[in-house]
Amino acid sequence: NAGVTQTPKFQVLKTGQSMTLQCAQDMNHEYMSWYRQDPGMGLRLIHYSVGAGITDQGEVPNGYNVSRSTTEDFPLRLLSAAPSQTSVYFCASSSAATGRAEKLFFGSGTQLSVL
Amino acid sequence: KQEVTQIPAALSVPEGENLVLNCSFTDSAIYNLQWFRQDPGKGLTSLLLIQSSQREQTSGRLNASLDKSSGRSTLYIAASQPGDSATYLCAAVMYSSASKIIFGSGTRLSIRP
Repeated sequence: NAGVTQTPKFQVLKTGQSMTLQCAQDMNHEYMSWYRQDPGMGLRLIHYSVGAGITDQGEVPNGYNVSRSTTEDFPLRLLSAAPSQTSVYFCASSSAATGRAEKLFFGSGTQLSVL
Repeated sequence: KQEVTQIPAALSVPEGENLVLNCSFTDSAIYNLQWFRQDPGKGLTSLLLIQSSQREQTSGRLNASLDKSSGRSTLYIAASQPGDSATYLCAAVMYSSASKIIFGSGTRLSIRP
């Protein structure tokens, strides 16, 4: 059972480039989310989804897009990368539709540097 | 704005000690609270989940408590071991935050052999 899989593990971008961070889970979880982790700031929620076709914004959504066409996949798109988006990105999923009542499972993270 | 705070940011104790990590949250109307462990360069692993109707949860040497009235949760680690060295984060879902899980910034724990 792979759990939550994130690709790539590392990425370097130039300012203005776009890219997609991939996230897939094989646990049939309804709830999926993206976080960024910065030193001293904990994890901040970017976007989340409570099921296929349903997404919503978190605390820091600007500069990021998401879509949820299947239960398994929840890609995060950076539209025009900026140095302020240098961070470690985590995808997480939960079996509860709202993400509230069940444990949250995390991927291993993507370390992104924007030059 | 809902906030989750963890103090201290770092803690170092000798092996074998019992220790308590603290987590406070601003909204007592809490749905649940979860404790995570994060090793360097890794993702987060859920340790314990406490629902609002519960007062505590236990797993092995770990015990987490929840006091909604005071806006606090504690993670108690008994007989600490060097392998317990990691960053511990708490995260809360408050009724006012809908489906948003709010994380504290973590306590970096170091157990000295």
